[in-house]
Amino acid sequence: NAGVTQTPKFQVLKTGQSMTLQCAQDMNHEYMSWYRQDPGMGLRLIHYSVGAGITDQGEVPNGYNVSRSTTEDFPLRLLSAAPSQTSVYFCASSLAGNTEAFFGQGTRLTVV
Amino acid sequence: KNEVEQSPQNLTAQEGEFITINCSYSVGISALHWLQQHPGGGIVSLFMLSSGKKKHGRLIATINIQEKHSSLHITASHPRDSAVYICVSGNTPLVFGKGTRLSVIA
Repeated sequence: NAGVTQTPKFQVLKTGQSMTLQCAQDMNHEYMSWYRQDPGMGLRLIHYSVGAGITDQGEVPNGYNVSRSTTEDFPLRLLSAAPSQTSVYFCASSLAGNTEAFFGQGTRLTVV
Repeated sequence: KNEVEQSPQNLTAQEGEFITINCSYSVGISALHWLQQHPGGGIVSLFMLSSGKKKHGRLIATINIQEKHSSLHITASHPRDSAVYICVSGNTPLVFGKGTRLSVIA
């Protein structure tokens, strides 16, 4: 049982490049989500999913795409990276409803 | 829209002091999380609670659902407790407070 596995841990991109942040969980959790953490802002919700095939936008979805083809995986795609997307990204999963949330290790992304 | 407010934003304490971090939220929830984040590190879940009080070592979390308020207490604080503590509304999608940065000085 590995919990939530998030990769990579660090990434530097040039403006306009694309990349995918991976998030996988082995706890059969329905609910998965992506957050970005910026200084003074706390964690803000980018996209979330309540089950395979279902995704929805959070507070700051622009510039990001997600898909949920399986229960285990919830990748976050940056199609054309911008310096404003420099941030620390966290993936989280939980059973639906009010249950304990589990977090990935975080990805520190820098866009130059 | 649920809003989660934490206080204080920053807190410096001497080793051994009793510490309290407060959290209030605007929309009724049935559970609340407390998380810990060390500098440059990942996020660790400390507590999830829906009523009353929970204790884990020197950490105590309380919640009053009617008053929409929770507190995290640290007894006999230690420099290794230095971290950011984050309160999170347990409704999905989660709503995060901005965190309280705690520094414990030896």
